[in-house]
Amino acid sequence: DIQMTQSPSSLSASVGDSVTFTCRASETIRTFLNWYQQKPGKAPTLLIYRASTLQTGVPSRFSGGGYGTDFSLTISGLQPEDFATYYCQQSYNMPLTFGGGTNVELK
Amino acid sequence: QVQLQESGPRLMEPSQTLSLTCSVSGGSISSASYYLTWIRQPAGAGLEWIGRIYTSGSTSYNPSLGSRVTISVDTSTSDFSLKLTSVTAADTAVYYCAGARDCTEDSCPLGWASDLWGQGTMVTVSS
Repeated sequence: DIQMTQSPSSLSASVGDSVTFTCRASETIRTFLNWYQQKPGKAPTLLIYRASTLQTGVPSRFSGGGYGTDFSLTISGLQPEDFATYYCQQSYNMPLTFGGGTNVELK
Repeated sequence: QVQLQESGPRLMEPSQTLSLTCSVSGGSISSASYYLTWIRQPAGAGLEWIGRIYTSGSTSYNPSLGSRVTISVDTSTSDFSLKLTSVTAADTAVYYCAGARDCTEDSCPLGWASDLWGQGTMVTVSS
């Protein structure tokens, strides 16, 4: 299985801050990397697919990048609704696997 | 707008077989190519991919669940289902169905990401 490692596991930030967190795959996944946002008690929602393509309706303050094994998600100017947990997922090989998540908390 | 909705038992006893259904509304899965997955999340933990099925019937499962899992699809009712045998307390989790349309084994506009999600159903295994 391809292991996905996210860092940090949590971070504290303020409204308006820009934050970046990372996801590393144990082997190359080309650009088959997806980012999801999950709020407590809710299902995840898709933010970015194929490493850098913003899902329809997702604000442009979210951006993703990377190729191969190293990927990042940046939120430029945190909004109150952005405090949540973010998961990366590889969809390159079966079984699909998720990272452990990055919890973005209000400082 | 296509929506997914999970249904099934909330409380089970160890060794029983879990059966969950995901109903697809807002669009018939027989008229498009869907990629449908089951994902679960234990309380306070991360997401685990269980398996997937295409409307063609082709399936793939997480080897971590061995032969306990079966996913099937009924295109006539736009339902797809999960069966997990011999459940234990370790199978206690929120179970989500998720997926995307216009996907086949060879191509998927979203690169096999899931933009459609049910709200999740909590399943507890306890004696």
